[in-house]
Amino acid sequence: EVVLTQSPAILSLSPGERATLSCRASQSVSNSLAWYQQRPGQAPRLLIYDASNRATGIPARFSGSGSGTDFTLTITRLEPEDFAVYYCQQRYNSTFGQGTRLELK
Amino acid sequence: QVQLQESGPGLVKPSETLSLTCTVSGGSMRSYYWSWIRQSPEKGLESIGFIFYSGSTNYNPSLGSRVSMSIDTSKNQFSLRLSSVSAADTAIYYCARRKGGGYYYDVWGQGTLVTVSS
Repeated sequence: EVVLTQSPAILSLSPGERATLSCRASQSVSNSLAWYQQRPGQAPRLLIYDASNRATGIPARFSGSGSGTDFTLTITRLEPEDFAVYYCQQRYNSTFGQGTRLELK
Repeated sequence: QVQLQESGPGLVKPSETLSLTCTVSGGSMRSYYWSWIRQSPEKGLESIGFIFYSGSTNYNPSLGSRVSMSIDTSKNQFSLRLSSVSAADTAIYYCARRKGGGYYYDVWGQGTLVTVSS
């Protein structure tokens, strides 16, 4: 079973700053990795699929990169609505990472 | 714009069967995998399984034979049944859409909390 490990668990930043979130797979998942954002009381929302493709309607400040076992979600110039929990998910058994909470500093 | 809405009891007794239905509006069910995912503080986000519009299914092995799914495309609905529930099955249950051949979930329901308690 492929295990996804996200880091850091909590990231404290201010609006306007750049956020870099990591997701590491226990074995290669090629580019079959997605990122989701979950705001309090809401369902997860697809941000990125196939490691680097933005989903429909996702702002350009969100970008994804990586392949194999190491992946990164970058949010340039944080907006107030970006403070949420972020999850990665891979194809092979549809498992999710444990999440990174992006909190207001 | 496709929307999903879960419905079903919010409270289930231990050892009984959890049953939820997801209603799809604003689009066709064809060519998609219709999925159930749950979220709890203990286990995080967990894929339960999915059903194709044709009726073929794929379940999370960790749930064994307790899980079953069905689909009624004439009603634009699909359903989840989870038998012999325990407190460990207490979670928010989401239905979601997954593209045929894909793995990611591009449309989600709002989620429904199911509590297992006597």
